[in-house]
Amino acid sequence: EDQVTQSPEALRLQEGESSSLNCSYTVSGLRGLFWYRQDPGKGPEFLFTLYSAGEEKEKERLKATLTKKESFLHITAPKPEDSATYLCAVQAGDYKLSFGAGTTVTVRA
Amino acid sequence: GAGVSQTPSNKVTEKGKYVELRCDPISGHTALYWYRQSLGQGPEFLIYFQGTGAADDSGLPNDRFFAVRPEGSVSTLKIQRTERGDSAVYLCASSAEGLEAFFGQGTRLTVV
Repeated sequence: EDQVTQSPEALRLQEGESSSLNCSYTVSGLRGLFWYRQDPGKGPEFLFTLYSAGEEKEKERLKATLTKKESFLHITAPKPEDSATYLCAVQAGDYKLSFGAGTTVTVRA
Repeated sequence: GAGVSQTPSNKVTEKGKYVELRCDPISGHTALYWYRQSLGQGPEFLIYFQGTGAADDSGLPNDRFFAVRPEGSVSTLKIQRTERGDSAVYLCASSAEGLEAFFGQGTRLTVV
């Protein structure tokens, strides 16, 4: 069974204080690893897909990386508007997404 | 609209009642997913449609839950004899085959 573990559960940052979120996974036959952002009361918003170890993707202050066992989401010089819950999910050959519990990031001005 | 639309956004029902939750996917997306999310948890897989057929319903918790997608577009999640433990946010997502899934805003179901 696919397993996804995210750490830490919560992260409090000062504006401009860079940090990283971790997503460890076990899956049989990875098709893709996905990062989503979720704001309170909203559905998950797609950020990135990573397909193979060594791949990196960037979007504004966010950068996602992938190894064979884990993925990192790096937040560089965060702003208060980056406050959200960040979800990691893996997709195997059966197409369904298996999610972690998320990391809730709070950025203080 | 351009995104996945779910209705209603909120639903309060009494224990034992029947409810239907609707999902309008992004036009042209052949894959449709239903997930359930409890407070503080990540979304939990319920069922996946490819076209009109349920390709994987292994996440449905029991036979009170059923979903249909008769014309390969709109989908309805049906819950019979609701229980308080069914209270959660029900999320729908759609994707072009094999690509990233886009989620709706969810339906918050409260069973009282």
